[in-house]
Amino acid sequence: GAGVSQTPSNKVTEKGKYVELRCDPISGHTALYWYRQSLGQGPEFLIYFQGTGAADDSGLPNDRFFAVRPEGSVSTLKIQRTERGDSAVYLCASSFKGSQETQYFGPGTRLLVL
Amino acid sequence: GQNIDQPTEMTATEGAIVQINCTYQTSGFNGLFWYQQHAGEAPTFLSYNVLDGLEEKGRFSSFLSRSKGYSYLLLKELQMKDSASYLCAVLDDYKLSFGAGTTVTVRA
Repeated sequence: GAGVSQTPSNKVTEKGKYVELRCDPISGHTALYWYRQSLGQGPEFLIYFQGTGAADDSGLPNDRFFAVRPEGSVSTLKIQRTERGDSAVYLCASSFKGSQETQYFGPGTRLLVL
Repeated sequence: GQNIDQPTEMTATEGAIVQINCTYQTSGFNGLFWYQQHAGEAPTFLSYNVLDGLEEKGRFSSFLSRSKGYSYLLLKELQMKDSASYLCAVLDDYKLSFGAGTTVTVRA
């Protein structure tokens, strides 16, 4: 596609539920990133994929968060046992190869945990 | 750790110039980015500096001094559509670290 796309655009869930957030990167980009943006803050790094593998998942806050990219294109961020503190905008970005390149962001998924 | 500071808010008049400063202290440095983010939308790429000096791109210019850990984004001939948040971000290899953003309000 022309840009990074993310679905759903909004997600409301209840505390304790499981959610999946999807990211479709720019065609041909091998590097994919997930960031989380809380209100009034800049995005914070969560995880970086190079191809199918997670090259760096040091930003994932705890083991309730997990992400996959099985075919090296679309990625899914999975959150188990959601908590109210997980409410934020989850942004996905992609770049052509990875290191030292411009990252292009998707519109984000606004997650609200009630 | 990473420390990136920028002012929270700035207000300017349509047609004027605004300069948004960013100071940083980071463990690694492979360049500094500026992104524009309208409310509820994705951050969009504005500029990238990796060497010291001024990069000009239309109404937007960005400056970098690596020795001072300092950058600024200059917005000229402000338009109402420039009202947005402007994010300063430092790249360390593949990881972007962002400041909290500067909300610019353009008044008629």
